[in-house]
Amino acid sequence: DAGVTQSPTHLIKTRGQQVTLRCSPKSGHDTVSWYQQALGQGPQFIFQYYEEEERQRGNFPDRFSGHQFPNYSSELNVNALLLGDSALYLCASTREVDYGYTFGSGTRLTVV
Amino acid sequence: RKEVEQDPGPFNVPEGATVAFNCTYSNSASQSFFWYRQDCRKEPKLLMSVYSSGNEDGRFTAQLNRASQYISLLIRDSKLSDSATYLCVVNKGTDSWGKFQFGAGTQVVVTP
Repeated sequence: DAGVTQSPTHLIKTRGQQVTLRCSPKSGHDTVSWYQQALGQGPQFIFQYYEEEERQRGNFPDRFSGHQFPNYSSELNVNALLLGDSALYLCASTREVDYGYTFGSGTRLTVV
Repeated sequence: RKEVEQDPGPFNVPEGATVAFNCTYSNSASQSFFWYRQDCRKEPKLLMSVYSSGNEDGRFTAQLNRASQYISLLIRDSKLSDSATYLCVVNKGTDSWGKFQFGAGTQVVVTP
């Protein structure tokens, strides 16, 4: 049973560019959340998707947007990249939040 | 004040010893609590949920103190493989379903 899969694993982009990160949730999970983790910090909540809608959002600017597809997979889009967007981006899925989330191995984004 | 605070450590623990550390949270309406562990440059992995009555999973014991708004994790008979960063996770409340807040983590280093 595949867990949460993310692609790509690593990415280098130039400041001002746009990036799309992808996530396939664990089988049986229908809720997907995205997190940003800077070096030495805990993951910061970006947003959560359920039934193809953004249900919750953290304190991230509108440059961060997302989408969830009918098969529950999800994308995270970041426009107008800044150097400060360099981080590990984690996707997490769950069927029931009281049971916690399962995380993917992340996409490490470097903005130069 | 941060919503979820942890002592960053590191806690240097001899193999076989016991280590315990806390995590404080600011939102009294928080409903769900978890401990995750994160190895260097890896994704967080769910260690255990934290229940009001306290719970134990092998060598790990988690406690919740709602009055003082903290959770704790105790590791008995520490193994070298327990070396990791332990992340405290708090679900913010019924109006923020699934909006998990992470602490910055407590680093534990188990030494031979």
